[in-house]
Amino acid sequence: LAKTTQPISMDSYEGQEVNITCSHNNIATNDYITWYQQFPSQGPRFIIQGYKTKVTNEVASLFIPADRKSSTLSLPRVSLSDTAVYYCLVGDMLSNFGNEKLTFGTGTRLTIIP
Amino acid sequence: EPEVTQTPSHQVTQMGQEVILRCVPISNHLYFYWYRQILGQKVEFLVSFYNNEISEKSEIFDDQFSVERPDGSNFTLKIRSTKLEDSAMYFCASSDPAHWGYGYTFGSGTRLTVV
Repeated sequence: LAKTTQPISMDSYEGQEVNITCSHNNIATNDYITWYQQFPSQGPRFIIQGYKTKVTNEVASLFIPADRKSSTLSLPRVSLSDTAVYYCLVGDMLSNFGNEKLTFGTGTRLTIIP
Repeated sequence: EPEVTQTPSHQVTQMGQEVILRCVPISNHLYFYWYRQILGQKVEFLVSFYNNEISEKSEIFDDQFSVERPDGSNFTLKIRSTKLEDSAMYFCASSDPAHWGYGYTFGSGTRLTVV
């Protein structure tokens, strides 16, 4: 699976839009991209998943350019409660979905400033 | 929103003792997992479980570890003889392969402290 690279940390002010970019230069044709959020002492929480172009749900948007070598998680108008670690993961669609281990990196520690 | 429930939230045990961590996955999910996170480190995969058998396990999941689905709702992780280095947060997760795009649902974890 492709290695992912994210910024170690980011700060943003409340009310701002936050974009976290993940690099996955060696992404394969069958790979998809998933983002998770983790608060201290809690389990990771699924945010969004996509393969190409743009995906939007009620909490975030995921932008994936045509070459798919990077992806950007966009959080609109963040609040203090968005302070967390955000993980970008790459998975293989051709694996038996549900039987695939998730490989977490160190993630991006996002701190929201009042 | 359905949740994965883990008990206990905290467990302190003496080195060499057996511990059982319990999880109730989401009822219609078919795949179950255990992950762990040592303080300040990455979330690490331990084992996946499907159709009453282990699908995949990591190098961490040695003979001291076992998993079981004793009934239709519970999923347990047993550590036979705990070591100090087993101290970590242990997360249970479940997924539904029919809902690709919804990710895995993790529980809030059990903090295991081995003294």
